[in-house]
Amino acid sequence: RKEVEQDPGPFNVPEGATVAFNCTYSNSASQSFFWYRQDCRKEPKLLMSVYSSGNEDGRFTAQLNRASQYISLLIRDSKLSDSATYLCVVNIGTGRRALTFGSGTRLQVQP
Amino acid sequence: GAGVSQSPSNKVTEKGKDVELRCDPISGHTALYWYRQSLGQGLEFLIYFQGNSAPDKSGLPSDRFSAERTGGSVSTLTIQRTQQEDSAVYLCASSLARLLGYEQYFGPGTRLTVT
Repeated sequence: RKEVEQDPGPFNVPEGATVAFNCTYSNSASQSFFWYRQDCRKEPKLLMSVYSSGNEDGRFTAQLNRASQYISLLIRDSKLSDSATYLCVVNIGTGRRALTFGSGTRLQVQP
Repeated sequence: GAGVSQSPSNKVTEKGKDVELRCDPISGHTALYWYRQSLGQGLEFLIYFQGNSAPDKSGLPSDRFSAERTGGSVSTLTIQRTQQEDSAVYLCASSLARLLGYEQYFGPGTRLTVT
């Protein structure tokens, strides 16, 4: 089983739609969680951290469910510019290989 | 401020040659990571430097790969006797080590093509 699993997609949604991605992680000792965004042929960029209580940044909402070991990302009112691959990232603790990246979920927002 | 920079941005080399890839992290970041990403794939961890500690080399795929970090700043990833399967984008990231989280900032990558 992969340490971090994501549905690769693609998710094709119309502009203005709400879309949600889930990501599951296998290590219950995981301590912190992030969503990164990667545009085609570009480097990954931090989108948002995921806090235990859930957090929101504009149209983006991230949630953590420790009991079921998954995190989610909700995007409301999708824009064309949201089209990208969204990487789920998990930190299992201090030291080596602390960040583990999922393979990403591709989102395509259509006009 | 300046982000993570990498050079060269593109490198085409012949099979069997050695290559060096360079990474300049964000000033003050103590942690530095190398990853590679093959076309359409996720990030594969290669090596991790944290301050003056011994690097974590557990992700290096073979002994043809090595990396060093001089003066706690600039890092060089060296691939000896390159093979076609080494073709990928090599990404460097740096971060401030934090107790609970490592928000990493990536450079633009070096696209390596081995012919």
